[in-house]
Amino acid sequence: GESVGLHLPTLSVQEGDNSIINCAYSNSASDYFIWYKQESGKGPQFIIDIRSNMDKRQGQRVTVLLNKTVKHLSLQIAATQPGDSAVYFCASSPSKLIFGQGTTLQVKP
Amino acid sequence: DTGVSQDPRHKITKRGQNVTFRCDPISEHNRLYWYRQTLGQGPEFLTYFQNEAQLEKSRLLSDRFSAERPKGSFSTLEIQRTEQGDSAMYLCASSFTGGDYGYTFGSGTRLTVV
Repeated sequence: GESVGLHLPTLSVQEGDNSIINCAYSNSASDYFIWYKQESGKGPQFIIDIRSNMDKRQGQRVTVLLNKTVKHLSLQIAATQPGDSAVYFCASSPSKLIFGQGTTLQVKP
Repeated sequence: DTGVSQDPRHKITKRGQNVTFRCDPISEHNRLYWYRQTLGQGPEFLTYFQNEAQLEKSRLLSDRFSAERPKGSFSTLEIQRTEQGDSAMYLCASSFTGGDYGYTFGSGTRLTVV
């Protein structure tokens, strides 16, 4: 079956540093990818998305990189802030979203 | 429109009882999805609708689970004869066809079966 996996369950960074969260997916038919942020007790919150015809997309302080050759996705957060502390999920979709396990980002002041 | 709404936010029920959750999607979205999330895990796909048609059901969705979207707007998820293993967060999301512009999630319904 298809799967989406994150490389690290926990990432700890210093406030102000850049964060990189990685993700791998298995379904080569996936053509749409989303990164979500989830805080305790809340539903996933959309951060940024990318379609398979792109390699890179930038938002405010966030960048998503897609490498279709190795089925790898990454989320870069610039100048990480305490408010960025949360669980981050990547999800891929040919028709419905399949989620990875999540990486907990801890920001140290 | 304030996004995807789910009701109730929390539900505690005794094993063997039936429960029903409601989801009101973003009104312009024609697709509606149900997911289940247990502690420390990513959301798991359960089922999705396009308008009122249920297009896909996960093998995770046992016969005790049923979902409806009768008029293509709100949806209900019913769990019959609840078991302790059903304890989880049930998330609803909505999107345009194909997921363009992302899938918007509600805050979820936290079910505890005692």
